[in-house]
Amino acid sequence: DAKTTQPNSMESNEEEPVHLPCNHSTISGTDYIHWYRQLPSQGPEYVIHGLTSNVNNRMASLAIAEDRKSSTLILHRATLRDAAVYYCIRSNTGNQFYFGTGTSLTVIP
Amino acid sequence: EAGVAQSPRYKIIEKRQSVAFWCNPISGHATLYWYQQILGQGPKLLIQFQNNGVVDDSQLPKDRFSAERLKGVDSTLKIQPAKLEDSAVYLCASSLVAGVGKNIQYFGAGTRLSVL
Repeated sequence: DAKTTQPNSMESNEEEPVHLPCNHSTISGTDYIHWYRQLPSQGPEYVIHGLTSNVNNRMASLAIAEDRKSSTLILHRATLRDAAVYYCIRSNTGNQFYFGTGTSLTVIP
Repeated sequence: EAGVAQSPRYKIIEKRQSVAFWCNPISGHATLYWYQQILGQGPKLLIQFQNNGVVDDSQLPKDRFSAERLKGVDSTLKIQPAKLEDSAVYLCASSLVAGVGKNIQYFGAGTRLSVL
């Protein structure tokens, strides 16, 4: 989705926090924000989602800007198993997913 | 709980041949999706089914692609005839229901198609 942009790649040291940004400046008021990650030769895997408020689950936290034009996925302590491509996704009222450009995360031991 | 099953995992064909992919969603999931993922890009939605009816197929190249979901469970995606640019991974996903936008989609491992 050309309207959802992410940095191509990021690096993090193991056991340190990682902040993955996403720009979705044209998001509509009813679109949800989802984050999925994809390991090589696998399908995307759910990480977290939200609408307006910040969200936390056992995997990560999602911080959504007040104007909803951007969001940040936060991995609190990166592990080697977190190395993957992370996708920011707009989901409309029909639950149709529009994937962003993806960020390839490298975790350095 | 069994996940979304897809077959085959890999397929190599020559251009102008036909090919079909099969998907079995998670039991009880009413909504099924097919995506195309070209190397280095994010998945792109091709078609969405609610039970055995089509909800959205606006991005499906209908001159060569077709999909069906008989009996509202399994689905097949067909390409006939294939072109070189159809080389991609074809992903199937399912969710409990459509609508609202907050429903989690569960993805299969995909079928990697190479068109020579």
